[in-house]
This record gives sequence, structure tokens and C-alpha cells, in this order.
Amino acid sequence: QVQLQESGPGLVTPSGTLSLTCAVSGGSISSSNWWSWVRQPPGKGLEWLGEIYHSESTNYNPSLKSRVTISVDKPKNQFSLKLTSVTAADTAVYYCARVGFLTSIFGVITIEGIDIWGQGTMVIV
Amino acid sequence: QPVLTQSSSASASLGSSVKLTCTLSSGDSGYTIAWHQQQPGKAPRYLMRLEGRGNYNKGSGVPDRFSGSSSGADRYLTISNLQSEDEGDYYCETWDSNTRVFGGGTKLTVL
Repeated sequence: QVQLQESGPGLVTPSGTLSLTCAVSGGSISSSNWWSWVRQPPGKGLEWLGEIYHSESTNYNPSLKSRVTISVDKPKNQFSLKLTSVTAADTAVYYCARVGFLTSIFGVITIEGIDIWGQGTMVIV
Repeated sequence: QPVLTQSSSASASLGSSVKLTCTLSSGDSGYTIAWHQQQPGKAPRYLMRLEGRGNYNKGSGVPDRFSGSSSGADRYLTISNLQSEDEGDYYCETWDSNTRVFGGGTKLTVL
């Protein structure tokens, strides 16, 4: 089955750029799924950062849109997150995730909720 | 965009049942949601999708003890025959065409 694995530096300097990659195994990043990033500050809840489709269409959380970039690398079957101008408030566990989809009887694909999560990676600013 | 509201905490005894609530914001009562479980120190795990009509589809390997239901803007997750491993945080999630949002989470304690 599909598995996701985050990787990247665990420590980032304030005002620098946080960069993470999510490797997708057991399935293709070019499927009908979107691919998402979610973070969780220590002791707090989940915050959606944004997501990408293999066509490179993206959606971002409006509160972070100016600092977030998500990209996809189809040959490597992975997608990435960049968060610029980081502060201590960006310290969190960062998760990559797969977004599910439904196909109607008419063949229309609709986006759904997250159905697979990576194990997460802690990033300290 | 919709807003999801969850109680911050809940508790129930081992072997009993508990019903967790996720409430959609006014005007958004038709939204489908997803429930996720996060055991202490672990990544979230997808439990199920739950429609406004109350139909639900569980993820692979989710025990029969977990079920979903809906009433108006409320979406429920019921856990029967509570086990110690059910202790943790439970989040609801919803989405539209270009955004995704999580509820604040409910911390479930199994007594």
C-alpha cells in the first residue's frame, strides 16, 4: 500500500527557509490524488499548510500563502515543502499526507479528506 | 470556509462507549468530514469519512467498534467497548475545492 516518508533538516535558523521532502512509495504521485502538508506545533492541534496535484496545481492556507511553496517531482515520485522567513512559531512536527478522492458514476473526480499520513518529522526553528 | 468545533476533552471507562462531536459552522451543515485518531506520540491515522446524511466509510483496518453518525451540523464518532489503545486525540477535518480545515481536536481519556 502507499506509504509516505518525510525527510529534511531537523533544525532551521530563524529567518531562514524550511525545506522538506515527502517520498511516495507503493503508488504513483501521478494518480488522481492530491498531496498535502500538515503541521502540528508541540502540544497543539493540526494545521493544514497546502496541497498539490501532479499537474502542479496548488492550494495554500491563506494565512501562510505568502511564505509557502509546494512542488512536485514526478520522476522521483515525491513532493516538497518550502516555508520561508521562519520563526520559532514554525517549530512543529510536519506531516505529509495523501488526499483521497471519489469518482462519480459520471466519471467526475471530487476531492476528499486525507486518507494516508506520513510518520512526521520534527523541525525546530 | 467552514469552521469545525470540537470539545477539548472527553473521558469514559474501559469497556464503555463514548460519542465525540464535531460541529460545522452555521450554513455548512451539508459538508462531509473525516475523522482522524492520534495516539500519544504517533502520527494521525485516518478513521473514516462521514457524510451529512450519516453514511460513513471506514479506512482499512479500522475496528468495528468505531462508527459515525450525523445530525444537522453535528458529526459524531462513536467508539464502543473502549480499549486502552483508544486513548488519544481525535480530529475532524473538512474541505472544499481549494481549502482544508481541522477541528481543534478532542483529547479522549480512557478511565
